[in-house]
Amino acid sequence: LAKTTQPISMDSYEGQEVNITCSHNNIATNDYITWYQQFPSQGPRFIIQGYKTKVTNEVASLFIPADRKSSTLSLPRVSLSDTAVYYCLFTGGGNKLTFGTGTQLKVEL
Amino acid sequence: GAGVSQSPRYKVTKRGQDVALRCDPISGHVSLYWYRQALGQGPEFLTYFNYEAQQDKSGLPNDRFSAERPEGSISTLTIQRTEQRDSAMYRCASSYGLAGDTGELFFGEGSRLTVL
Repeated sequence: LAKTTQPISMDSYEGQEVNITCSHNNIATNDYITWYQQFPSQGPRFIIQGYKTKVTNEVASLFIPADRKSSTLSLPRVSLSDTAVYYCLFTGGGNKLTFGTGTQLKVEL
Repeated sequence: GAGVSQSPRYKVTKRGQDVALRCDPISGHVSLYWYRQALGQGPEFLTYFNYEAQQDKSGLPNDRFSAERPEGSISTLTIQRTEQRDSAMYRCASSYGLAGDTGELFFGEGSRLTVL
């Protein structure tokens, strides 16, 4: 069963770039990598998705190396409002969309 | 509707009672997922539907839990003979495409169940 591994927590300061790495050694050929963000008392919210190389949107960038065994979510110039839990998971492979424990990002002044 | 709607938002019940949690997905969304989330944990998969067909129910903890989506729209998650360990936030999500596609999941606000 495909599984992702992320750091449990990360701390940062406002204005810094934050990179959260997710390991997924047994990703399948037709799996996409998707990141969600969750604030307390809210449901997860889609951030970004990619298959290979780099994807960028107005919120974040996603870097996926050629072997696809890991991926890195990059949040530029974080603010206090980016404090949340970030999840990486596989989509597109017909799987159950399994969330792990995620990475708790704490941004301070 | 504009978003995924879940009801009730809060439910307090006594042990042994049955509860039904409702999910109204975004209009036109084909797939619907149910998750359970304990405090400080990620969402735990329960089951999902493509249209009215339940594709995978392997995440349902035991046979007290069941879900249906008879017309391919609104879904109900039923928990019979509730136990205190069933207390959690129950989240529903829907997606435009079939489950297993790469589409974005839209989550509802959740139903907080407390079993006394």
